Amino acid sequence: DTAVSQTPKYLVTQMGNDKSIKCEQNLGHDTMYWYKQDSKKFLKIMFSYNNKELIINETVPNRFSPKSPDKAHLNLHINSLELGDSAVYFCASSQSVEITDTQYFGPGTRLTVL
Amino acid sequence: AQKVTQAQTEISVVEKEDVTLDCVYETRDTTYYLFWYKQPPSGELVFLIRRNSFDEQNEISGRYSWNFQKSTSSFNFTITASQVVDSAVYFCALVNAGGTSYGKLTFGQGTILTVHP
Repeated sequence: DTAVSQTPKYLVTQMGNDKSIKCEQNLGHDTMYWYKQDSKKFLKIMFSYNNKELIINETVPNRFSPKSPDKAHLNLHINSLELGDSAVYFCASSQSVEITDTQYFGPGTRLTVL
Repeated sequence: AQKVTQAQTEISVVEKEDVTLDCVYETRDTTYYLFWYKQPPSGELVFLIRRNSFDEQNEISGRYSWNFQKSTSSFNFTITASQVVDSAVYFCALVNAGGTSYGKLTFGQGTILTVHP
């Protein structure tokens, strides 16, 4: 029973296209996140939502737009994809925004922009 | 601002050797949490341990142990009698309570551990 799931696992697309990555958690958590892992394995937070409200936006280009239809879902939509967007994107969730709460990660989505 | 440094980019050991992964952190806050995550070749991120800034007790879980020392701002991870299945990228991470942290995890650069049979 997967706690945090993401679809698709792999995404290959052309520059300029628009694509979405979906994330769902069945842990009953209030807070969800998107992280980006670059080719050097460096992980950096992009967004965080708490109870469907955006609370962290780490100076990500506005081509990236997260959407949280409900507490269990946080989708990432990317417009006008660029080569530099190629990365692995991880969704995560935690019980709340409190630092005492552990973040649990999804399996990742490997995005390749050609 | 906070920072996590994992100075060892890659470590290679032979099975059954003990190996220690170093993690040094910087934060101005007195309240913070430290984490270790494992990323095996399959790519997912697996939570290993969480430690708060007020608890400097070392922890042992099977072959894994963690040494937290506030005096040196370090949270090192030791694998005893390493196995091939331990081969992965290991990340140390920090979240602090200050300002607009809101649970933002700051990760180190990761250490690639390869255990040879």
